[in-house]
Amino acid sequence: AQSVTQLGSHVSVSEGALVLLRCNYSSSVPPYLFWYVQYPNQGLQLLLKYTSAATLVKGINGFEAEFKKSETSFHLTKPSAHMSDAAEYFCAVSDYGVQGGKLIFGQGTELSVKP
Amino acid sequence: EAQVTQNPRYLITVTGKKLTVTCSQNMNHEYMSWYRQDPGLGLRQIYYSMNVEVTDKGDVPEGYKVSRKEKRNFPLILESPSPNQTSLYFCASSPPGTSGRLEQYFGPGTRLTVT
Repeated sequence: AQSVTQLGSHVSVSEGALVLLRCNYSSSVPPYLFWYVQYPNQGLQLLLKYTSAATLVKGINGFEAEFKKSETSFHLTKPSAHMSDAAEYFCAVSDYGVQGGKLIFGQGTELSVKP
Repeated sequence: EAQVTQNPRYLITVTGKKLTVTCSQNMNHEYMSWYRQDPGLGLRQIYYSMNVEVTDKGDVPEGYKVSRKEKRNFPLILESPSPNQTSLYFCASSPPGTSGRLEQYFGPGTRLTVT
């Protein structure tokens, strides 16, 4: 069965610093992987997705993630944090079978950005 | 604007009083799904629907019902709510042909409190 683990429930960075949010997955089949962002009092917005094409995936708002099969990881990065990046971030893996699919989410990582 | 809408956004109710949370999408998506979000647990799937009149249980279906009489609507029904159903609920839909295996588009969420 597919699963996702996000390392660190809270990450704090200074404005302008590198953002690194960690995600490791477990999957018995080639995975489809996603990062979502949730701003306060809002729904989830897709940041980026990996669907077995390029291993380095670029998303919105300057975020990118690299799929590393050998490490079963899909870490999210951004070179320079902005105050507006403060939000909760969820990594997810697609779980699918004969009856349709679903997303398996990690526990979430709350990102704080200090001025 | 392509979107998933949910109503109400906030709801406080009492144990045992039946309630319905509505979900509607205007993207002609076949696949729709309900998730609940709880702190430290991420999002977990409650029910999903592959198409009109086709629904199935997700990971945490106990205490919930759904129906899919029209493609655009997928209401979540709590016939006898209990305090352990206090949570943040999200409806999501997935583009045609993907059956929920790829990205899903989320509504703004419904925060439910059962006292």
